[in-house]
Amino acid sequence: DAGVIQSPRHEVTEMGQEVTLRCKPISGHNSLFWYRQTMMRGLELLIYFNNNVPIDDSGMPEDRFSAKMPNASFSTLKIQPSEPRDSAVYFCASLPSGSGNTIYFGEGSWLTVV
Amino acid sequence: GNSVTQMEGPVTLSEEAFLTINCTYTATGYPSLFWYVQYPGEGLQLLLKATKADDKGSNKGFEATYRKETTSFHLEKGSVQVSDSAVYFCAQKTSYDKVIFGPGTSLSVIP
Repeated sequence: DAGVIQSPRHEVTEMGQEVTLRCKPISGHNSLFWYRQTMMRGLELLIYFNNNVPIDDSGMPEDRFSAKMPNASFSTLKIQPSEPRDSAVYFCASLPSGSGNTIYFGEGSWLTVV
Repeated sequence: GNSVTQMEGPVTLSEEAFLTINCTYTATGYPSLFWYVQYPGEGLQLLLKATKADDKGSNKGFEATYRKETTSFHLEKGSVQVSDSAVYFCAQKTSYDKVIFGPGTSLSVIP
């Protein structure tokens, strides 16, 4: 069974450009999470969806960030315009329903904004 | 609100030493608790979990016990190896499926 799939794995972009990160969760999982990891701030929850509906976006840093989940098998995280301080590893993760179930992570998208 | 606090790192140990990484949480209700491990350049992988008070999670020689009275879930291993060098994250999953991670503790094991 395929795990959580993220793309691109690595991206280098210039300040001001739009960045779109993509995620395919594990089939059958009904919750999807976007996290950002940096040395300074650790692992931050940006937003999570349940059954394709955004439940909590309080971690989204500012209006430059937006996330969508148009269907159960796809989500995007968009940054427009990008800034150097957005450089980080962005992880997508998915979770099946059930109290004891665990969250599964993708391998991350390594973003560098120059 | 819900949060997770871990001991500050980095932690450096000699091979075969005893490991403890402290984790405490604040929560409304009774969350499930987890330890995840991250090796360099990789995503997070589940190490162990506990879903209710007094449960003990264990895997690969690591153990942690869900202590409701002290709101803690400390990670322990009796004898660490060089291959255990990684970053360890404590996490909770709330009743509405929000998963919150602690800041992570970096462990280096030297031969």
